Amino acid sequence: GENVEQHPSTLSVQEGDSAVIKCTYSDSASNYFPWYKQELGKRPQLIIDIRSNVGEKKDQRIAVTLNKTAKHFSLHITETQPEDSAVYFCAARFSGSARQLTFGSGTQLTVLP
Amino acid sequence: EAGVAQSPRYKIIEKRQSVAFWCNPISGHATLYWYQQILGQGPKLLIQFQNNGVVDDSQLPKDRFSAERLKGVDSTLKIQPAKLEDSAVYLCASSTFGGANEKLFFGSGTQLSVL
Repeated sequence: GENVEQHPSTLSVQEGDSAVIKCTYSDSASNYFPWYKQELGKRPQLIIDIRSNVGEKKDQRIAVTLNKTAKHFSLHITETQPEDSAVYFCAARFSGSARQLTFGSGTQLTVLP
Repeated sequence: EAGVAQSPRYKIIEKRQSVAFWCNPISGHATLYWYQQILGQGPKLLIQFQNNGVVDDSQLPKDRFSAERLKGVDSTLKIQPAKLEDSAVYLCASSTFGGANEKLFFGSGTQLSVL
């Protein structure tokens, strides 16, 4: 079935450094790739998304890149701050009429002050 | 804009008991999803509704789980009887269906502990 793999599972960075999280997907017809941030005990919140007709998208300190040929996409956070500490999930919407999202297993990001 | 509402926030039950969760999606969102999130994992889809019809329930353990969305708005998810491995956060999410601006929004979830 459809699969999304996410790496690394944990990531620690110093405040001010950059963080990169990578995901690969299995269905080459996938067309939508969102990223969610989940703080402890809270709901996953959409922070940025990208569609298959775009290679890169930025929103202030966060950016997402998509390589359709290699079937992978990445989240980049620059100038990290302690409030960026959370679990980040990537997801992919696979082809088909149901338009469901399949999620990666998550990355625990810790920004050290 | 009001978000996706879920209740209860927490539930503790013993194995073999039954439990029900409630979800009210964002107004106007035709599509409603129930996800199960086991600690340390990503959300896993259980069932997807489009209005009051089921689009996909292929990953719903139908021997014990059931869900309904009778009037195409609110939804309930039931587990009967519960097993220890059902301990998880149950997330409801909603979206519009189709179009360039389709995005998925989650509720705060119900944390279920089965003892």
